[in-house]
Amino acid sequence: NAGVTQTPKFRILKIGQSMTLQCTQDMNHNYMYWYRQDPGMGLKLIYYSVGAGITDKGEVPNGYNVSRSTTEDFPLRLELAAPSQTSVYFCASRRRDRGSEGYTFGSGTRLTVV
Amino acid sequence: SQELEQSPQSLIVQEGKNLTINCTSSKTLYGLYWYKQKYGEGLIFLMMLQKGGEEKSHEKITAKLDEKKQQSSLHITASQPSHAGIYLCGAANNNDMRFGAGTRLTVKP
Repeated sequence: NAGVTQTPKFRILKIGQSMTLQCTQDMNHNYMYWYRQDPGMGLKLIYYSVGAGITDKGEVPNGYNVSRSTTEDFPLRLELAAPSQTSVYFCASRRRDRGSEGYTFGSGTRLTVV
Repeated sequence: SQELEQSPQSLIVQEGKNLTINCTSSKTLYGLYWYKQKYGEGLIFLMMLQKGGEEKSHEKITAKLDEKKQQSSLHITASQPSHAGIYLCGAANNNDMRFGAGTRLTVKP
């Protein structure tokens, strides 16, 4: 049971480039989330999904896009990368009916935009 | 939207000492989660509190939710170097979770 898998672990982008952060979970979780973590700022929600084909914006969605074509995958797309998007990105998931179990987090993607 | 404030921002304790981390919400908490994060890694779920006055323990870590459900505390007894990391509280918010800024704990051997 791999849990939540994020790739890549590290990436350096140049300003204006685009990339996709991959997230896959094998626990058949309905809900999936993307957060970013900046130093001393905790986690901020970018986008989330309550099931395949359904996505919604979080606190800081500007500059990002998501899709959820399957239960397992929830990729995060960065278009026209900017230095402000330098951060650590975490993907998480949970079962719809098991809120008491908390979220399962991936190990993160550390992104630097130069 | 719900705001979570954690205190202190950072904490340095000697091994063996007890410590407390606080999490205060601007609104009533309907589910309060505690997570631990080691540097460069993802978050590990510790425990979840839902009822006013509820208290849960996991090994030497105890978390409480006050009766008014607006403040939670995390208490570590006889701290060890393995307790070092960042502790974050999270509040259930409709379909998602919002987090506090975290408390960085250093345990000196």
